[in-house]
Amino acid sequence: ETGVTQTPRHLVMGMTNKKSLKCEQHLGHNAMYWYKQSAKKPLELMFVYSLEERVENNSVPSRFSPECPNSSHLFLHLHTLQPEDSALYLCASSQGASGNTIYFGEGSWLTVV
Amino acid sequence: KQEVTQIPAALSVPEGENLVLNCSFTDSAIYNLQWFRQDPGKGLTSLLLIQSSQREQTSGRLNASLDKSSGRSTLYIAASQPGDSATYLCAVRLRTNAGKSTFGDGTTLTVKP
Repeated sequence: ETGVTQTPRHLVMGMTNKKSLKCEQHLGHNAMYWYKQSAKKPLELMFVYSLEERVENNSVPSRFSPECPNSSHLFLHLHTLQPEDSALYLCASSQGASGNTIYFGEGSWLTVV
Repeated sequence: KQEVTQIPAALSVPEGENLVLNCSFTDSAIYNLQWFRQDPGKGLTSLLLIQSSQREQTSGRLNASLDKSSGRSTLYIAASQPGDSATYLCAVRLRTNAGKSTFGDGTTLTVKP
């Protein structure tokens, strides 16, 4: 079982749909992250949760809504997305939000049509 | 604003060669620097983490160095193998915003048999 598990691995959704991405970490970490990776652009941090509280919101549009119900689970709720939101969404976790190794999941490929 | 640059963008070498990947950053007040590997369509795998107080870290055939004063890190891969083919990314965390990592664009490495 991998340390950080993301579902679904692939998602196609229309611009009026509502869907959610799920992330679960089995490493006992207390910080979790959402990153966006688009073609030809560096990895972009979206949100950071530390001890289940959001500590970073990197100017992300409100059509992306994160939720962290406990230290092991992280969701990204999606609604009224745009085609340019199509990307690989990566979840990560670490012990503390500061100096320790970050572990990534395999990512969720999102296509908005 | 921290900027992270990786040179070269792509590198192709014959199997067995030793090689160096470069990462430079503009703000030297870093907390740590982490090197990752990403295979096509996959998430990121952590390779090495160097804290700001360290000069280098080694893992198997990989050696990463850090020179904060010049804003540079290198990833040395010894005796390269076709299985090393991937994109290598470096990520820098600042002391002032420890939850946020800034990523470079990556170097895509191809090791030819």
